[in-house]
Amino acid sequence: DIQMTQSPSSLSASVGDRVTITCRASQSISNYLNWYQQKPGKAPNLLIYTASSLQSGVPSRFSGSGSGTDFTLTISSLQPEDFATYYCQQSYSMPRTFGQGTKVEIK
Amino acid sequence: EVQLVESGGGLVQPGRSLRLSCAASGFTFDDYAMHWVRQAPGKGLEWVSGLTWNSGNIAYADSVKGRFTISRDNAKNSLYLQMNSLRVEDTALYYCAKDRRSAGATLDYWGQGTLVTVSS
Repeated sequence: DIQMTQSPSSLSASVGDRVTITCRASQSISNYLNWYQQKPGKAPNLLIYTASSLQSGVPSRFSGSGSGTDFTLTISSLQPEDFATYYCQQSYSMPRTFGQGTKVEIK
Repeated sequence: EVQLVESGGGLVQPGRSLRLSCAASGFTFDDYAMHWVRQAPGKGLEWVSGLTWNSGNIAYADSVKGRFTISRDNAKNSLYLQMNSLRVEDTALYYCAKDRRSAGATLDYWGQGTLVTVSS
């Protein structure tokens, strides 16, 4: 199985900060990498698919990059509604696997 | 508007069975792959199972293989998860999720989940 490792596991940031979350796959997954946002008590929400494509309706301050084994989710200017947990997920092979999550908290 | 509504969760003893259902609306159900994803209390997301639009390809996480069975009824716009030989570690909120495509694993819409608690 492909292991997905996110870093950091949590971070504290202020409104307006640029935030970067990293996801590393245990083997190459080309660009088959998705990012989700989950707020407490809510279902996850797709942000980015195939590493860098912005899902419809998602603000442009979110962006994704990377290929192979190393990927990045960037929030260019953190907004109050962005405080949440973020997960990466590979769609390259079975079984589909998620990273352990990165919790973004208010500083 | 896409809607996914899960049902069938509850409290069950270890070793027993439970069947989850997901009623879909607002999109052409038989055009898309569908998935089940679970989240244990206070933990991260775990993909459980998925199947293509025509059930031609089905896959499971190793943790549930041989115990869980995913299925769909395109005529009823419904997705199912038959869970047998339940274990305490299967306790989780189970989400039904729609794929962006007929085959794949990019989950663009999610239900609100149904809670399964396995305890004696």
